[in-house]
Amino acid sequence: LAKTTQPISMDSYEGQEVNITCSHNNIATNDYITWYQQFPSQGPRFIIQGYKTKVTNEVASLFIPADRKSSTLSLPRVSLSDTAVYYCLVGDMGLTGGGNKLTFGTGTQLKVEL
Amino acid sequence: NAGVTQTPKFQVLKTGQSMTLQCAQDMNHEYMSWYRQDPGMGLRLIHYSVGAGITDQGEVPNGYNVSRSTTEDFPLRLLSAAPSQTSVYFCASRRQGANEQYFGPGTRLTVT
Repeated sequence: LAKTTQPISMDSYEGQEVNITCSHNNIATNDYITWYQQFPSQGPRFIIQGYKTKVTNEVASLFIPADRKSSTLSLPRVSLSDTAVYYCLVGDMGLTGGGNKLTFGTGTQLKVEL
Repeated sequence: NAGVTQTPKFQVLKTGQSMTLQCAQDMNHEYMSWYRQDPGMGLRLIHYSVGAGITDQGEVPNGYNVSRSTTEDFPLRLLSAAPSQTSVYFCASRRQGANEQYFGPGTRLTVT
C-alpha cells in the first residue's frame, strides 16, 4: 500500500486559494488518489478522487502530475467553514477488498481565518 | 436514505465489560469497515467486510470481533474493554467498484 506524506497543518485567510500537496512516491499502477475532509466530531467526507492529470468538481480540484508521485488538492476561495482536517489516500479501493486496508494517516489540519 | 447509522453516540464502560457497537447502512453497499480515531491521529482500520458472511482484519484488530450476517448490518464487539480502547469509532460503507466511502457519525467510547 502506498504511503502518503502531507503537511501537518496549514493556515489561510478567507477568500484565498489553498493548495495541499500529498506525496506518494510508491504509488502503484492501479492506485487512485482520494481526498477526504473531516470536521470535528464527524466522520470523514469524500471530496474528490483522481487517477491522473486534473479532476475538478463543485468543491475542489485535484492536480496529479504525469509521474503520479504526488497530488495537490486545491480549494478555491476558502471560507471559515473549510477549516477541517484533509486526508490524502492512495490505493486500489475499487477493484479488490484489499483496498479496504487503506489508512488515513494524520492528515493536514487547515485553519482558515478572517 | 439514512446512509450509515451508528448507535450509541456515546458510551462509558468499565474495564472488563463487553459491548457491541451497532452499524447499519441502507445503501445496499457490499463493503463495510470499522475504524478507530484517537486524539490527534488519523483513522486506523479495525476490521472490514466485503460482503455478508465475509470479514477480515485491518490494522488494529486485537480486542475486537465482527460479523456480517446481513448486507445492512456490521456490528463491532468489544470482548473485554480496556482503557486503551477509549476512542471514537467510525463505521463506513462503500459500493463495490467505487472509491468513495460513506461514514457514520461515530461512537465516542470511554473505558474507565
